[in-house]
Amino acid sequence: AQSVTQLGSHVSVSEGALVLLRCNYSSSVPPYLFWYVQYPNQGLQLLLKYTTGATLVKGINGFEAEFKKSETSFHLTKPSAHMSDAAEYFCAVSAPNTGGFKTIFGAGTRLFVKA
Amino acid sequence: EAGVTQFPSHSVIEKGQTVTLRCDPISGHDNLYWYRRVMGKEIKFLLHFVKESKQDESGMPNNRFLAERTGGTYSTLKVQPAELEDSGVYFCASSPYYEQYFGPGTRLTVT
Repeated sequence: AQSVTQLGSHVSVSEGALVLLRCNYSSSVPPYLFWYVQYPNQGLQLLLKYTTGATLVKGINGFEAEFKKSETSFHLTKPSAHMSDAAEYFCAVSAPNTGGFKTIFGAGTRLFVKA
Repeated sequence: EAGVTQFPSHSVIEKGQTVTLRCDPISGHDNLYWYRRVMGKEIKFLLHFVKESKQDESGMPNNRFLAERTGGTYSTLKVQPAELEDSGVYFCASSPYYEQYFGPGTRLTVT
């Protein structure tokens, strides 16, 4: 079975500061890992994904995440926050299941960016 | 290429009424998933179609929820009768393999 834990339901950073959103997962099989972002009144948008290969993955809008198997973590970072990054972020794990890939989501972390 | 679309974007109904949500997947995607987010909690899996067949419906909350996928194309999710706890955002996603493409969601409010 898979599960995802996001540490911190709310994170506040100043514009220009480092963004770090934490995610730990549990999976009985090699997982596929995702970060999604949801802007107000919009759907879920894929930021980045890890499947196999390089453990540091880069996504859109300057975000990146590193898969650390030993720590079962997939934290999301961005060197310099922008006001437009204010949104809710979801970490998710997916694994083969009965012919498909059921995705398990974390509870979400709402990012606030202060001017 | 058109993305996943969902209709309606918002629905407000009274307890006991029936509501039908629709999802149009990306053309050619055999896999279609429904998810739900209730009251700011986790986004939870409801069910998975492969073409027109239900592959996994382990997340369906109860028998008031009925999902169909006509001819392996669009899908509907009917809630009958609706209860207050059904309020939330219902997401649909389609997928050719592991990467899922999400629609904008339908916000359902039951009063």
